Amino acid sequence: EPEVTQTPSHQVTQMGQEVILRCVPISNHLYFYWYRQILGQKVEFLVSFYNNEISEKSEIFDDQFSVERPDGSNFTLKIRSTKLEDSAMYFCASSPSGQGLWLYGYTFGSGTRLTVV
Amino acid sequence: TQLLEQSPQFLSIQEGENLTVYCNSSSVFSSLQWYRQEPGEGPVLLVTVVTGGEVKKLKRLTFQFGDARKDSSLHITAAQPGDTGLYLCAGAPSTNAGKSTFGDGTTLTVKP
Repeated sequence: EPEVTQTPSHQVTQMGQEVILRCVPISNHLYFYWYRQILGQKVEFLVSFYNNEISEKSEIFDDQFSVERPDGSNFTLKIRSTKLEDSAMYFCASSPSGQGLWLYGYTFGSGTRLTVV
Repeated sequence: TQLLEQSPQFLSIQEGENLTVYCNSSSVFSSLQWYRQEPGEGPVLLVTVVTGGEVKKLKRLTFQFGDARKDSSLHITAAQPGDTGLYLCAGAPSTNAGKSTFGDGTTLTVKP
């Protein structure tokens, strides 16, 4: 069964450093997302991406965050200067259609656990 | 902002017992989805309900969407230790919604 792949599975970084989280969405999916889940808290929307541009972003997704689809397969989330409160599980997800999200839901990756020290 | 409240937050039961988890909102959703998440993994989609009053069964799991499409329930019959996990509901506010809203989740522990 097709899956969303995320690397690395665990990233430890020092506060103020830049990190790049990588994702390979399902090949025929068109909509890509980043969510995060702070330990013990709910899954929070960060950003959605379609046709090589951001479709929607949340208040969490400030100027320190950026997303990119550098080639036909990878989808990356960059945090420019990490803060302690950025420590969380970051999930990449994809969906076959933005208009079909209500019907098909998300396919999530296994996540990257980011620890900022 | 549309909110989804799940209850109970934590549930610990013995193998073989039945349980029901609830997902409630004051808002109408075009669909509600249920996901199951295991520690260290991403949520996995279990089911999507789209029609008010709809009932879907997935082996021992029964999902129901409220008539007014504001709430949903998940009932598990004869729970097994393999059912242990975090159960999340997520709602799409419209058929062209760009994102879904997630509930806080119900952590289920089934003891052998």
